Amino acid sequence: GAGVSQSPSNKVTEKGKDVELRCDPISGHTALYWYRQRLGQGLEFLIYFQGNSAPDKSGLPSDRFSAERTGESVSTLTIQRTQQEDSAVYLCASSLRPGLTDTQYFGPGTRLTVL
Amino acid sequence: RKEVEQDPGPFNVPEGATVAFNCTYSNSASQSFFWYRQDCRKEPKLLMSVYSSGNEDGRFTAQLNRASQYISLLIRDSKLSDSATYLCVVNLSGTYKYIFGTGTRLKVLA
Repeated sequence: GAGVSQSPSNKVTEKGKDVELRCDPISGHTALYWYRQRLGQGLEFLIYFQGNSAPDKSGLPSDRFSAERTGESVSTLTIQRTQQEDSAVYLCASSLRPGLTDTQYFGPGTRLTVL
Repeated sequence: RKEVEQDPGPFNVPEGATVAFNCTYSNSASQSFFWYRQDCRKEPKLLMSVYSSGNEDGRFTAQLNRASQYISLLIRDSKLSDSATYLCVVNLSGTYKYIFGTGTRLKVLA
């Protein structure tokens, strides 16, 4: 079956512009995660969705970042007024449900470059 | 102290060698443990979950030591294709939160 997909795969934008990143999780997966990975760094947790609700948004770096999920499916991560430090790969993952042995399946990521 | 710590490496080993990585975690409430593999400029992929009794999958063996709060990954008979970054991941009991280590880089040399 289809895995997690993300679009666009690459995004180059100018400082100050808004960007929207999209994630399509595996069908039937209720849990969805967004991570950020800067070059040469580890994964930084941003936000988690259980269904359409986000129990904890504390990982979002600033109020310029927001995310939503609709229909227990597609999620979008929006970054307003982008800054150069926002340049990173944004990874989305989904899992059937959060749990003891649950596996997260990652999408290929969106590589964001802010000039 | 970081919640999950790994030696960044790189570990450079010849083909056929045995190599082991450790990962320490700070939160004793950590419940689930995983090793993920990440190739250069690719997304992480699950290598194996780590269970209390330890588990083996072919050339890979994972161990959990709750008393000392570390997990390990042993790779036997290293292949060139094992070259990657290995990420240690910890999940807190009853939560959604997965904490990723920064990874240990392995290079298997011909």
